Parts: sequence; structure tokens; C-alpha cells
Amino acid sequence: QKEVEQDPGPLSVPEGAIVSLNCTYSNSAFQYFMWYRQYSRKGPELLMYTYSSGNKEDGRFTAQVDKSSKYISLFIRDSQPSDSATYLCAMRGTNAGKSTFGDGTTLTVKP
Amino acid sequence: NAGVTQTPKFRVLKTGQSMTLLCAQDMNHEYMYWYRQDPGMGLRLIHYSVGEGTTAKGEVPDGYNVSRLKKQNFLLGLESAAPSQTSVYFCASRSKTTLRETQYFGPGTRLLVL
Repeated sequence: QKEVEQDPGPLSVPEGAIVSLNCTYSNSAFQYFMWYRQYSRKGPELLMYTYSSGNKEDGRFTAQVDKSSKYISLFIRDSQPSDSATYLCAMRGTNAGKSTFGDGTTLTVKP
Repeated sequence: NAGVTQTPKFRVLKTGQSMTLLCAQDMNHEYMYWYRQDPGMGLRLIHYSVGEGTTAKGEVPDGYNVSRLKKQNFLLGLESAAPSQTSVYFCASRSKTTLRETQYFGPGTRLLVL
């Protein structure tokens, strides 16, 4: 079993929809939780970062971490065609540690 | 700032040939990483470094070697390329600070081994 499991997708939604992307994990030592966005043929770029449990909001994006359930989510409000990309969750236990990535969910937002 | 740069962008190798991928960062980051990305398999860590002169194995290190002689550069070597090493390789760097996440990725190197 993988340490990090990500909803595989692909996901296709109409413009303006609310999108929910999810990951579960098994390692209770994980404390740092990240979401990356990766456009086709590009490197991943950091989208959201959360330390420990709780919510974090940045514009149309909200990241949630529920450590008791070992579950993290990324919500995208008012989705736009420019949000079409692959989204990767990542997490690690210590600041000096290595990050473990999910396999990614490909999102398409249709105009 | 150029951020993280990778050289080359694309390369075709024959089985058994060797090559070196270069990663450079201009952000004075302590940590540097090499990942490979294959379809449907996310990012897998090959090797990483927590500082100049230090390297460590990641999840899939076999067939690769690395060196970090200078803080800003992290080299990934393939001594004898195999078709299974056909992949997209990403380099990343990260600061030690805990104030905020600062991991940045390069644009990737596409490698095809025939």
C-alpha cells in the first residue's frame, strides 16, 4: 500500500464549478502538507502549503488537513479553464525530510 | 532570479550510453532533489542532498549517481542508460526555513533511451 493515495481522476467540470481534490495517507508522522499544480510539459509549482491540521485559504483555493482522519483536500471555487492541470498532493514528516507525492489528479475545466 | 534551471531539456540516448543532467539554482537553497515522473506514477525521489558535499538515496536510486560539489549545482548521472530510465526528470530545491514552504521545481529534462 502506498503511503499517499490520491483520487486518480481524471476530473472534468464546467467553468464555475467547485472542485474537490483529495488525498489520504497512512503515515501519522506527516506534518507538512502541500498541493502542487502542474501544467502539461511543465514542472510542478507550489500552490498551497499547510503545517499540521486546519484550513488555509488563498483566493479561490482552500486547503484542508484532517490529521485525525489522515485526509487532505484542495477546493477550487469558481473554477476557470486556466485551472486545467494536474494537481499533486505532497507531504512530509519533518522540515528536513523528504516529501512523498501522490500520483496526481488531472483536472479539465470546460468553458 | 532564474530559479531552478535544468540542462538539457531533451535527450535521446542509446542503451548503454552515459550522460549527466545538470541542475542549477540561484536561491541559495540548502536542499536539492532529483525526481523522475512516469505516466500515472507521480514523482519518485531518486537522490537528494541536504547540503554541499552530501547526498543520499531516495526511493528509486538504482542506476543513478549524484554529486553536489557546489551548493548551487546538483548533478544526476546515468552511467549505463537502460530503456527503463526513459522518463521526465525534475530537479527541485528548497530552503531550510520553516516559515513557509519554498520548494521550487525546474522545467524538467525529457530523456528517451532507445
